[in-house]
Amino acid sequence: NAGVTQTPKFRILKIGQSMTLQCAQDMNHNYMYWYRQDPGMGLKLIYYSVGAGITDKGEVPNGYNVSRSTTEDFPLRLELAAPSQTSVYFCASSSGGILEKLFFGSGTQLSVL
Amino acid sequence: QQPVQSPQAVILREGEDAVINCSSSKALYSVHWYRQKHGEAPVFLMILLKGGEQKGHDKISASFNEKKQQSSLYLTASQLSYSGTYFCGGGAQKLVFGQGTRLTINP
Repeated sequence: NAGVTQTPKFRILKIGQSMTLQCAQDMNHNYMYWYRQDPGMGLKLIYYSVGAGITDKGEVPNGYNVSRSTTEDFPLRLELAAPSQTSVYFCASSSGGILEKLFFGSGTQLSVL
Repeated sequence: QQPVQSPQAVILREGEDAVINCSSSKALYSVHWYRQKHGEAPVFLMILLKGGEQKGHDKISASFNEKKQQSSLYLTASQLSYSGTYFCGGGAQKLVFGQGTRLTINP
């Protein structure tokens, strides 16, 4: 069972570069989320989606973009990377939003230097 | 606005009990609890829905007071494996998390 798969696991970016963090789930979940976690801190919601073609902002959306063209995939795009975006990024999915448990991916460690 | 957890950190000896609290200024339709070990993804513990239902998992249980918009996580006779950071989460449509409570269990 693959569950939620995130790629890459590690990435180093230079300031101003762009990249896409990939997230895929094979559980046919409608709800998908992107969180970031700074060292020693909690999880902050970046964007979420309630189904293909539907996305909405979370707590900290600035500097990020998302798309949801299929149920399986929910990529997160970083444009013009900044040191403040150095963090661990977790993707998660759920079959029922806040009424069902979240399945988390293993995370992407991103450093912007 | 994210839920607020207390305490921020707890240090226990193996076998002691602990309570972690979570409160929200906004209505909670459900409360999630997760545990995260260092360097790993959060792991689901339990979810509580409206109705004040108390749930349990082994020696870990939780309650949800929807009128007060508060939840508490109870860890009984703590084991070394309980160490980690505990997060509560809640919200209306989007799920946001508290800042976490770091639990350290010493032998």
